[in-house]
Amino acid sequence: QKEVEQNSGPLSVPEGAIASLNCTYSDRVSQSFFWYRQYSGKSPELIMSIYSNGDKEDGRFTAQLNKASQYVSLLIRDSQPSDSATYLCAVGSGGYQKVTFGTGTKLQVIP
Amino acid sequence: KAGVTQTPRYLIKTRGQQVTLSCSPISGHRSVSWYQQTPGQGLQFLFEYFSETQRNKGNFPGRFSGRQFSNSRSEMNVSTLELGDSALYLCASSPFIGRPGEQYFGPGTRLTVT
Repeated sequence: QKEVEQNSGPLSVPEGAIASLNCTYSDRVSQSFFWYRQYSGKSPELIMSIYSNGDKEDGRFTAQLNKASQYVSLLIRDSQPSDSATYLCAVGSGGYQKVTFGTGTKLQVIP
Repeated sequence: KAGVTQTPRYLIKTRGQQVTLSCSPISGHRSVSWYQQTPGQGLQFLFEYFSETQRNKGNFPGRFSGRQFSNSRSEMNVSTLELGDSALYLCASSPFIGRPGEQYFGPGTRLTVT
């Protein structure tokens, strides 16, 4: 079983819609959770971090964490074509928060 | 502030050779992590250094090693290269002690092993 799982997609949504990206993790004692965006040919870029259960909003992005279900999600409201990218979920575990990445979900926003 | 820099950006090596990649973190960042990215396996953690000490290590063979210098610059070495080592190697730095997941990535070094 992979430590951090994501649906590879592609997830296609129309412009202006809400894109919902999901991630599950296997280590119950994971303490830190991140979403990175990676455009084709570019490096990953941190867009959200979340450390406690519940929702965290930043502009059009909302990260949701449910530790009991070992589930973290990212909602992108009012999706734009510029949001088209691969979204990587990352989870930190252990004393020094070793970071494990999922394989990413490719998002396509259709104009 | 300048971002994370990595040198070289591209490298072609022959199977059996060794290679050293370099990473300069953002000024003031003391945590440096290395990742291997391939189309099949995604982004895989190699190791993390903080204050010249390796704090975390991924599941890679001993052919992969690294170090960090007192100025926080880091190097990664791969010995006895194999074809499967062809990948994009990414370095990331973080300013946060205990929160290495909040990190900034460099542009990467594209290694091709022939």
